[in-house]
Amino acid sequence: DGGITQSPKYLFRKEGQNVTLSCEQNLNHDAMYWYRQDPGQGLRLIYYSQIVNDFQKGDIAEGYSVSREKKESFPLTVTSAQKNPTAFYLCASSKGALEETQYFGPGTRLLVL
Amino acid sequence: QKEVEQNSGPLSVPEGAIASLNCTYSDRVSQSFFWYRQYSGKSPELIMSIYSNGDKEDGRFTAQLNKASQYVSLLIRDSQPSDSATYLCAVRGGGGNEKLTFGTGTRLTIIP
Repeated sequence: DGGITQSPKYLFRKEGQNVTLSCEQNLNHDAMYWYRQDPGQGLRLIYYSQIVNDFQKGDIAEGYSVSREKKESFPLTVTSAQKNPTAFYLCASSKGALEETQYFGPGTRLLVL
Repeated sequence: QKEVEQNSGPLSVPEGAIASLNCTYSDRVSQSFFWYRQYSGKSPELIMSIYSNGDKEDGRFTAQLNKASQYVSLLIRDSQPSDSATYLCAVRGGGGNEKLTFGTGTRLTIIP
């Protein structure tokens, strides 16, 4: 059963803590993306990767880091430098490069304690 | 000016009627246009994509694109309570800026 999985569903972060959100896909898609969604705002692109071992900053990359060591996996780390991390984080993937249709995982909701 | 604009709603439509959702965009060289549906607390799911001027129909859904007016719309015929959701318009730029830009979404409520 192909798809995109994200874990955990809910994540709590303490002040000054780094946390990592997992995103895995078994669709054999080349490109993967991380978006952040805040209430009343559209999805905003954090980072994207079109190929293994390569990734680019999106519109709001500050305070976040990613890696793409495997085609199937694109974890996102929310660092302590991100001062307002509470949001719904969505991972997406697409078959090819940016011009292909993007499909979303179920999301991770990050809350600050 | 926002790059992709949608009426935030909420838009209320009686069951069985046509729901009309609108989206305008600022990048004249935009190439691809997408409508996603997002239920509360869930992730967006793709409903329609459209690339050429005109209408594209898929079941009860019709996407309409007018590149000259920089306008894309989604019509939902025979609206059902299960259509109640937030609808996101997404536009892919062109000219070297192929990232997807999302509108803030229109919340649609179908009234039984």
